[in-house]
This record gives sequence, C-alpha cells and structure tokens, in this order.
Amino acid sequence: SQELEQSPQSLIVQEGKNLTINCTSSKTLYGLYWYKQKYGEGLIFLMMLQKGGEEKSHEKITAKLDEKKQQSSLHITASQPSHAGIYLCGADPGASGTYKYIFGTGTRLKVLA
Amino acid sequence: GAVVSQHPSRVICKSGTSVKIECRSLDFQATTMFWYRQFPKQSLMLMATSNEGSKATYEQGVEKDKFLINHASLTLSTLTVTSAHPEDSSFYICSATPGKWNSPLHFGNGTRLTVT
Repeated sequence: SQELEQSPQSLIVQEGKNLTINCTSSKTLYGLYWYKQKYGEGLIFLMMLQKGGEEKSHEKITAKLDEKKQQSSLHITASQPSHAGIYLCGADPGASGTYKYIFGTGTRLKVLA
Repeated sequence: GAVVSQHPSRVICKSGTSVKIECRSLDFQATTMFWYRQFPKQSLMLMATSNEGSKATYEQGVEKDKFLINHASLTLSTLTVTSAHPEDSSFYICSATPGKWNSPLHFGNGTRLTVT
C-alpha cells in the first residue's frame, strides 16, 4: 500500500524566515494535495499538483512535485505567525481518482513573532 | 466555493448515549462524502465512504454498527456514534468533493467528541 512520509515532523521558525516541508511517497503520485490544519479544526485546501515537475504558488507558499512524481515540497517564504498550523500532504492512491486519500503524518509549524 | 459545513463543532455526551454529527456540502452536490477520525498528534484515518442513496463502505477495522452513516441527500451525510464509550472520544472530520475533474476534497471543520 502507498505511504506518505513527511519531514520534518515539527518546525519552529522565527518570523520572516523561509522554510520547506517535504512529502515523500512510496509509489508514484497521481495527484498530490497540500492542506493546512489549524489545531482542533478542519483542513484547508492549499494546492494540488498532478504533473511531474509542476510548481504552483499562492501568496507566499510554493509547492513543487518532482519529475518522478514521488516527492513534493512546500516552501513558505518570509513566514508569518498566521502560517502556524499543521501541514498535511495527501494523495489519491488510485489513478482514476477514488478520493480515498491517504495522508502524510503532518508537519507542525510554529512561527515565533 | 466548495464549502463543507460540519455540526456540531463540539459535543460532550455520557457513556451509553448516541451522538449524531452532520456534514453538509453548502454550495455543491456530493454523491460521495468521507468520514475520518483523527487521534491527537496523528494524521487522518479514513473510517468510511458515504454514498448517497446506498450503504456506506467501511474501512477495515471500523465497526459499522457502532458508526452509523446515512447519506440522505446529495448535500447531507450524518455519522451517528451509537452507545458511545470514552474510547470513542476523538476528533471526527468529514470531506466531500463536487466530483469534477481536478477537484480536490474539501473538509468540514471537524467535531470534537468527548464521552464521559
């Protein structure tokens, strides 16, 4: 079965610093989704990547999917306290789109003001 | 667009009682919704797939008689935790998708269930 591993598990950065979160899959990814979860709340959709080498940006967050489609990274530029939360990568294990996502273990981000 | 509403956000109940959690897609129709459970500091665990007009599909190890799922309409799925026990205390989250190509899952805000 497919597994997603995220690193680091937790991260504490000073406001204004850049950071990167990685998500590695044991199998080829047909779709990779990044979500943010605030503590005790639901998941907020950030970005979706599907093509090898694809890169997307939204405000100060950039996500990339490598050419082999087995690793993705999420980069935050000039972090702010509002970026704090849990970042989860998710993937649909089915090529045809089952929506039965599997999720990474999550990365807990704390941004110090 | 693609807003999923979950209610209640928090519920405390006594052991032995049942609790119903609602999941609504507010601005789209969802023939399929998903229910997850999240343990502290862990990722989401898929419990079941809720199918409109038919029986839910449960993941291995999830008791279907304990966690009753009803998908009465294209915009509403409910999860009922029956005869709740303290070990059922957890964070439950639902998700849904319009089902269109390239459309990701959208999640509700979750329900914190505490069974005393």
